[in-house]
Amino acid sequence: KNEVEQSPQNLTAQEGEFITINCSYSVGISALHWLQQHPGGGIVSLFMLSSGKKKHGRLIATINIQEKHSSLHITASHPRDSAVYICAARLNNNDMRFGAGTRLTVKP
Amino acid sequence: EPEVTQTPSHQVTQMGQEVILRCVPISNHLYFYWYRQILGQKVEFLVSFYNNEISEKSEIFDDQFSVERPDGSNFTLKIRSTKLEDSAMYFCASSLSLGNEQFFGPGTRLTVL
Repeated sequence: KNEVEQSPQNLTAQEGEFITINCSYSVGISALHWLQQHPGGGIVSLFMLSSGKKKHGRLIATINIQEKHSSLHITASHPRDSAVYICAARLNNNDMRFGAGTRLTVKP
Repeated sequence: EPEVTQTPSHQVTQMGQEVILRCVPISNHLYFYWYRQILGQKVEFLVSFYNNEISEKSEIFDDQFSVERPDGSNFTLKIRSTKLEDSAMYFCASSLSLGNEQFFGPGTRLTVL
């Protein structure tokens, strides 16, 4: 059983649409990370959160500790947002468990 | 803006050979990490390193793997005797402290023939 599950696996949207990517985890965590992986393979950290909500530009991340669930939202999506978005749970012992990623394609 | 760098970007080696992957973390960061991503699969945690010792390692990080901070700037991952299944992208990351965001390097693609 995967300890970190993401949905959907693939997501295609039209430019301007509101995007939501979900992440559920089954382990105790100290923090949850949202990462963006570009087609070339590079990984960029978007958010690290342990409670509540964070916003950066058009990106919003929320986490519900009781429900062990986090969401990443993208408002006014743009083709340059096309990437794989990865949820990663940092366990209490500093180990990290990664989701399989959500491949987002935003069409102009 | 400071960034994590990794060399080489691509390493090709023969099975059984030793490889050393190099990383230069952000200069004031104290925690260092190695991850790997086999093609088409999810990213996997290998090891975290703090205060010149391993603080956590995964089941993947067996006796074939070792990490070192040989000087004040480099952080290396050594694979002693490479296997075909070691072929993957290896990412280094660093963070200021345990509770801070991690910054990732661009990765080293290792191909074992």
